[in-house]
Amino acid sequence: DGGITQSPKYLFRKEGQNVTLSCEQNLNHDAMYWYRQDPGQGLRLIYYSQIVNDFQKGDIAEGYSVSREKKESFPLTVTSAQKNPTAFYLCASSIDSGAKNSPLHFGNGTRLTVT
Amino acid sequence: AQSVAQPEDQVNVAEGNPLTVKCTYSVSGNPYLFWYVQYPNRGLQFLLKYITGDNLVKGSYGFEAEFNKSQTSFHLKKPSALVSDSALYFCAVRDVNSGYSTLTFGKGTMLLVSP
Repeated sequence: DGGITQSPKYLFRKEGQNVTLSCEQNLNHDAMYWYRQDPGQGLRLIYYSQIVNDFQKGDIAEGYSVSREKKESFPLTVTSAQKNPTAFYLCASSIDSGAKNSPLHFGNGTRLTVT
Repeated sequence: AQSVAQPEDQVNVAEGNPLTVKCTYSVSGNPYLFWYVQYPNRGLQFLLKYITGDNLVKGSYGFEAEFNKSQTSFHLKKPSALVSDSALYFCAVRDVNSGYSTLTFGKGTMLLVSP
């Protein structure tokens, strides 16, 4: 059964620590995305990757980093430089970033709480 | 630049009544338009999309949406609401004519269907 797996579902960290959120897909999709969701603000794009070993900053990339060493995996690191890291993080993928009419497929998210 | 507006934070409707969730968009060229639904603590699920052709698009779970180019709108509709339709709904747009663009999401509309 193909899909996107995000782990863990809930994550708690102390302020000042870096934390990495996992995202794995077995859909054979080229493009992958990270969004942040905050109440009342919708989804905001953090980073996206159109192909392995390439990624681009989205609208709110400051304080985050990513890697795309494998087609299936697109981990997101929330660094201590991110001022307000507590949020719900969503990973998504699409068949081909150039196919503009292809919908995104989403994982079930990771809720990060930093205290 | 591309943007989406969902003017209602919340829509309340009684079970069995028709529902409408509003969405307006702005793109420099032609749009690809999408609707997604999100249940609590889950990722987004794709409902339907408008690419070209018929202005009335049918999607999953009995939902449909009407594309109106002159009003730059893409309202989501359902003839008879179910309590299980209660969820957060997102409209999204992508500019067909841009070199590359990611999806831009609205801030979401909470639909509450009362028994």
